[in-house]
Parts: sequence; C-alpha cells; structure tokens
Amino acid sequence: AQSVTQLDSHVSVSEGTPVLLRCNYSSSYSPSLFWYVQHPNKGLQLLLKYTSAATLVKGINGFEAEFKKSETSFHLTKPSAHMSDAAEYFCVVSDRSGFGNEKLTFGTGTRLTIIP
Amino acid sequence: GAGVSQSPRYKVAKRGQDVALRCDPISGHVSLFWYQQALGQGPEFLTYFQNEAQLDKSGLPSDRFFAERPEGSVSTLKIQRTQQEDSAVYLCASSSGTYTYEQYFGPGTRLTVT
Repeated sequence: AQSVTQLDSHVSVSEGTPVLLRCNYSSSYSPSLFWYVQHPNKGLQLLLKYTSAATLVKGINGFEAEFKKSETSFHLTKPSAHMSDAAEYFCVVSDRSGFGNEKLTFGTGTRLTIIP
Repeated sequence: GAGVSQSPRYKVAKRGQDVALRCDPISGHVSLFWYQQALGQGPEFLTYFQNEAQLDKSGLPSDRFFAERPEGSVSTLKIQRTQQEDSAVYLCASSSGTYTYEQYFGPGTRLTVT
C-alpha cells in the first residue's frame, strides 16, 4: 500500500518569505502524487499533481513541487508567501485499487500560518 | 459552473440515531468517492462508485455504514446506530473519469454524535 508522511504538522512563515512544506512517500511502484489545500469551511482544492511526466511540477497560486525518487520526497514550495496562503495542506498519493478508480491516501496535513 | 454540493453541512445526532448524508456531484461525473476526515487528520477513503456501481467499499469502517448511488448521480451515505467515534467530517468527491482525472471535493458534512 502507498503512504505519505508530512514531516511538519505546523509551519509559520512571514509574509513575503519562502514556503517549504515537506512530504515523503512510500510506494511499491511509480506513484501519482498530489498536493491539496483546504481553507476553513471550504472544500479541498487541488494545487498540483505529479503523474510521471516532468519531475518539477507547477501548480496554481505560484506553488510548485519537485518529485525526487532517490529521496522519496515531494516537497511543496512557494517563493513568496501571501496572507491568503494560510490554510491546511495535504500531501496525497494515489492508490490504484484495480477497480478503475484512483482512491487517494492523504497525509496528516500541515497547517501553514502566515505572519504579517 | 456548480461544484460538488453536500447536505446538510452540519448534523448533530444522538448516539444510536440513524443519519443520511447527501452528495450532489458535478453533472456528468462518472466517479464518486466518499472520505471521512476525523478532527486533526487527513481524509480517509470510505467507498467508490462508478456510475451506479459501488466498486470499492473497502474503507467502510463497519456494517453500520452504507452508501448508494441508485441512478448514477446523487449519492447518499447512511450511518445506522451512530456512535461517538463516527463524529467527523464526511467529504464527497467526484471526477469525470477514472485514474488520472482530478477529484473535485465538496465542502463536507460535519457530523457530531452526542
């Protein structure tokens, strides 16, 4: 089975400084990896996904992530944090059950706080 | 366009009561998923539908949990004889196809069992 580990439960950065949210994965084969964001009282939104194409993936709102197979990592970065980035972020791996679906396995989440 | 909607947004049930949670997926979406998110945790997979067929229910925690999608659109997650450990946010997601298609999530239903 696939799994992801988010190394930080809470990250605080100042507005305008870089953001780094760390994620390691475990998979028996080449995985599909995702980052989702969850704002309070809103649905989960896909930020970006890796599906074995380019290892550097660009997403929405200036976020990007790099797939590093040798390190089994998929860290999320952003050059300059904005107040609106404050939210819960989930690293996610797909788990193909063979039924034609791609059920998602979520990490425990990282809460990002932006300091004005 | 309209996204995934869920109702009710909040539900308080007394222990032992039955509850029904509704999900309206994006129109035309083939795949529908239910996830359970406990407080402070990431969502966990419950069950998957492809059209009206429930192809995977491996994540349902007990036989008190039942899901259906009779016409391949709206889905209902039913929990019988609710217990305190059922308190969580229940998320519904839909996608237009299988495998690499993006899952679109609804806002969730927060269930509190007292």
